[in-house]
This record gives sequence, structure tokens and C-alpha cells, in this order.
Amino acid sequence: EAAVTQSPRNKVAVTGGKVTLSCNQTNNHNNMYWYRQDTGHGLRLIHYSYGAGSTEKGDIPDGYKASRPSQENFSLILELATPSQTSVYFCASGDVRRGVNTGQLYFGEGSKLTVL
Amino acid sequence: AQSVTQPDARVTVSEGASLQLRCKYSYSGTPYLFWYVQYPRQGLQLLLKYYSGDPVVQGVNGFEAEFIKSNSSFHLRKASVHWSDSAVYFCAVRNYGNEKITFGAGTKLTIKP
Repeated sequence: EAAVTQSPRNKVAVTGGKVTLSCNQTNNHNNMYWYRQDTGHGLRLIHYSYGAGSTEKGDIPDGYKASRPSQENFSLILELATPSQTSVYFCASGDVRRGVNTGQLYFGEGSKLTVL
Repeated sequence: AQSVTQPDARVTVSEGASLQLRCKYSYSGTPYLFWYVQYPRQGLQLLLKYYSGDPVVQGVNGFEAEFIKSNSSFHLRKASVHWSDSAVYFCAVRNYGNEKITFGAGTKLTIKP
């Protein structure tokens, strides 16, 4: 069974503080993704990665950094958190078979971030 | 740039009735299309996917979707809904070149008893 684990599940941060959201996958998938989910917007792609050492900008990367130190781990970093970054964040890993990304994603359970 | 539009933010259907959730996509190449479902306080789970071939694809729990290229649509259907189908449904498109996967805003489905 594919497994994607996010931590922390809930986080309250102050404006201007640094926040790190972590994601670990045991699927041995090359691709990993960070999305945020907001009412009316659905899921929006922040950053993604093709493998260890790679990070790519998604559709809304401003204010976020990403780090992929290993195949298993992908972090999302908010250096200076703002209230507009209050959201639920989802990490996902991508299914790659025989070098072809089938596009199926396996999601974690989400991390709820509140920035005061 | 690719995009997905789900025009109905909320849909309410009576239990046992049929269902159609609409999805339209914008993508210049051959699309890889998906429907995902999100139950309360959970991540998303794959319902079905379309890559090529038969434009009608079957998914889990009796769901199916039809790819209509001429209309850039990938609507989700179910013949008879159950109360447990209450959830948020997302349509998504994959960019084959850069592997970005873009989601629509989602449709919240409520089943009336």
C-alpha cells in the first residue's frame, strides 16, 4: 500500500516566523508534489520534484521554498509566514512505471497551517 | 498552460438518482485526465484515469467518465448514487512534458436521503 506521511498535521505559526512542512513517502516514487487547498480554488501546485536534489516551481511558488534531500523526503519551507498562507497543504508522490509517469498521485492526509 | 474548469461548486442529488459532474480542460497536447475523490479530513484518492483508447473509462464504486475531445470535456457519471458518495470530487489534467498535474476547483457532492 502506497504511503505518504505529512508532519506536522496541525501547525499554528506567527506572522514572520519560519515554517517547515515535511513529507515522507515509502512508495519509491520519483515525483513528489506540494499543493495547497483553499475553498473556491481547489488544489493549487506550489512546488514539485523529479527526484532527489531537484525542485521545480509550480503555479504559485511565491513565498515558498522546497527541498528534496532524498527520494523519500520533500519539504515545503515558508521563510517568512504570512496570514495569506493559512491553508491546508497536501503532499503527494507520483506513480512512475517503466520510466513513464502515469500521473496517478498518492496523497498524504494534509497539514493544516494557521498563520496568526 | 493547462487548466481545468469544474463549473459546479456544489451538486445535490437524491440517493438512487443518477449523477453527472462536469469537467472541462484546456491542454494543447493529448491529455492525461483524472478524477479524484476527497472524503472529509482525508487526502485525495484516485477514482479513474484516462490515457488513451476507449473514451469511456470505468473507475471504482460504479463511477465512469467519458473523454470527449471535440468538447474538451471529461464528465464523471454514476447511474445510481449512494449516501456514501458524499464527498468532494476533483478533475485533473497532467502535462506530459513537465509532469505538472493541475486540478480543478472541485465539486462538493451532497446526497439527499
